[in-house]
Amino acid sequence: AQSVAQPEDQVNVAEGNPLTVKCTYSVSGNPYLFWYVQYPNRGLQFLLKYITGDNLVKGSYGFEAEFNKSQTSFHLKKPSALVSDSALYFCAVRGGNQGGKLIFGQGTELSVKP
Amino acid sequence: DAGVTQSPTHLIKTRGQQVTLRCSPKSGHDTVSWYQQALGQGPQFIFQYYEEEERQRGNFPDRFSGHQFPNYSSELNVNALLLGDSALYLCASSLGGALYTEAFFGQGTRLTVV
Repeated sequence: AQSVAQPEDQVNVAEGNPLTVKCTYSVSGNPYLFWYVQYPNRGLQFLLKYITGDNLVKGSYGFEAEFNKSQTSFHLKKPSALVSDSALYFCAVRGGNQGGKLIFGQGTELSVKP
Repeated sequence: DAGVTQSPTHLIKTRGQQVTLRCSPKSGHDTVSWYQQALGQGPQFIFQYYEEEERQRGNFPDRFSGHQFPNYSSELNVNALLLGDSALYLCASSLGGALYTEAFFGQGTRLTVV
């Protein structure tokens, strides 16, 4: 069965420092991987996706993610965190024989302190 | 571009009642998916509609049903509401059925069952 794991419920970072939000996945066949961000009482906002090709993908607001097939990981990164990056981040996967549905992780709360 | 719009934003219902939630997809999108997000969890796939047909369904009981109209807008209906149905219901739209296309989410409908 397909699944996504976000091993950290919360990540704390000082403003200006690099940040990493971890994601690992399990899917049969080629994965299509996505990162979304959710601000309080709001829907999900698309950040970036990996389909094929270059393992480092760049997305909105300076975020990027690194796909690692051998480790089945898709970690979200940003070189320099902003206080405004504080939000809930979700990793999601499509693929295998699961059709078009997105399988989401449990989410990681990112807190960036000044 | 209006993006994905959902109505209402908040709703309070009594156990046993029925509820209808509405969604208008992003302009140009023809596929609508519904997700349930319980507090502190990632979104869970309910079902997806394409060309007015339910194309895929998640592990939700038959009390959850939906519809897609010719203009691609969609409704989610939940019958015989349970306390456990309290959640944020998210609508997502996308174009066609390609697995690599990102889904765009609305702001959600917060349903509270009392």
